[in-house]
Amino acid sequence: QKEVEQDPGPLSVPEGAIVSLNCTYSNSAFQYFMWYRQYSRKGPELLMYTYSSGNKEDGRFTAQVDKSSKYISLFIRDSQPSDSATYLCAMSSGGSNYKLTFGKGTLLTVNP
Amino acid sequence: NAGVTQTPKFRILKIGQSMTLQCTQDMNHNYMYWYRQDPGMGLKLIYYSVGAGITDKGEVPNGYNVSRSTTEDFPLRLELAAPSQTSVYFCASSYFGGARKETQYFGPGTRLLVL
Repeated sequence: QKEVEQDPGPLSVPEGAIVSLNCTYSNSAFQYFMWYRQYSRKGPELLMYTYSSGNKEDGRFTAQVDKSSKYISLFIRDSQPSDSATYLCAMSSGGSNYKLTFGKGTLLTVNP
Repeated sequence: NAGVTQTPKFRILKIGQSMTLQCTQDMNHNYMYWYRQDPGMGLKLIYYSVGAGITDKGEVPNGYNVSRSTTEDFPLRLELAAPSQTSVYFCASSYFGGARKETQYFGPGTRLLVL
């Protein structure tokens, strides 16, 4: 079983749709969870950062962590064509372990 | 701040040639990382450094070397280029000691094609 699983898509939605992106993981030591957005031919940039379980909202984006199920989600409300990108989940156990474990990324296209 | 910068943006190498990918950060971050990203394969850690003079192997170090003589610079060296090293290379940095220390900041990438 891979440490982090992420459906690669591609996912295509109409503008204004609610998008749900997900990752599952197997390492129960993970407690820091991130979502990175990567536009075509660019480097990843941090979108959301969450510690432990719960929800975090930032504008149209909501990150959700369920540690009991080892499942994290990113919701995008009122999706826009500018949201078209690859979304990578990343996680870390923290402490002295500073390395991130990444999912493979989900390619999202929002059609006008 | 420019953040993390990488040069070159794109390079074509012949099999057996050598090159150095440059990475510089101006955020005074102590940790730096090199990743490669292949289509559909996510980011794989090649090497990382926790400070000047200290480096260690990541998940896929074979065929690469690194050095870190200053806090700002973390070059990646390919000694004998092989087609399997065709990829997009990302450098990243983070500050271990502040809030959100797990957060890594990425450069724009170097696209390498080995023919």
